[in-house]
Amino acid sequence: AQSVTQLDSQVPVFEEAPVELRCNYSSSVSVYLFWYVQYPNQGLQLLLKYLSGSTLVESINGFEAEFNKSQTSFHLRKPSVHISDTAEYFCAVSRANQGAQKLVFGQGTRLTINP
Amino acid sequence: DTGVSQDPRHKITKRGQNVTFRCDPISEHNRLYWYRQTLGQGPEFLTYFQNEAQLEKSRLLSDRFSAERPKGSFSTLEIQRTEQGDSAMYLCASSSRTGRYFYNEQFFGPGTRLTVL
Repeated sequence: AQSVTQLDSQVPVFEEAPVELRCNYSSSVSVYLFWYVQYPNQGLQLLLKYLSGSTLVESINGFEAEFNKSQTSFHLRKPSVHISDTAEYFCAVSRANQGAQKLVFGQGTRLTINP
Repeated sequence: DTGVSQDPRHKITKRGQNVTFRCDPISEHNRLYWYRQTLGQGPEFLTYFQNEAQLEKSRLLSDRFSAERPKGSFSTLEIQRTEQGDSAMYLCASSSRTGRYFYNEQFFGPGTRLTVL
């Protein structure tokens, strides 16, 4: 079975500051890794994913995450945040090579950007 | 591509009543998933379908819960004899086969928020 731990339930930062949202996972088999974002009153949207290849993956709005197999981590980073990044962020895993069945989510991290 | 839709968006019911939710996946997505999200938690997997076949059910899905996808298109999730602990956001997602990493991305609907009084 897989499990995901997001180490911070809330992260407040100032606008234009860098941010890191931490995610650690546990699995006895290979996994795919995902970050989903949930803006206020909206559904979950895929932000970025790691399936294979380069361990550094990027999103179109400046976020990046790095898969670290030895540390079983997939931390999300952005060098400079904007007010519009205020949202809840969920890290998720699924078993690799199984047609990506169910997603196992972490508890979420609420990112609050202060002006 | 109109996205995943769910109906209703909100449902308030009294304990003991039955409720049914509907999910319409993205057209031609043959996998459909149901998740439940309680306040302050991440979504938890309930069940998923490939076409009309229900391939996996979570232990969270008690015998009061039933899901169907009769024609391999829309799906319904029914909760019988609702309890206050059933209050949550019920999320639906769909996915399709896309090459080597088929089914790797799930597209989520806006959810149905259930409140059991």
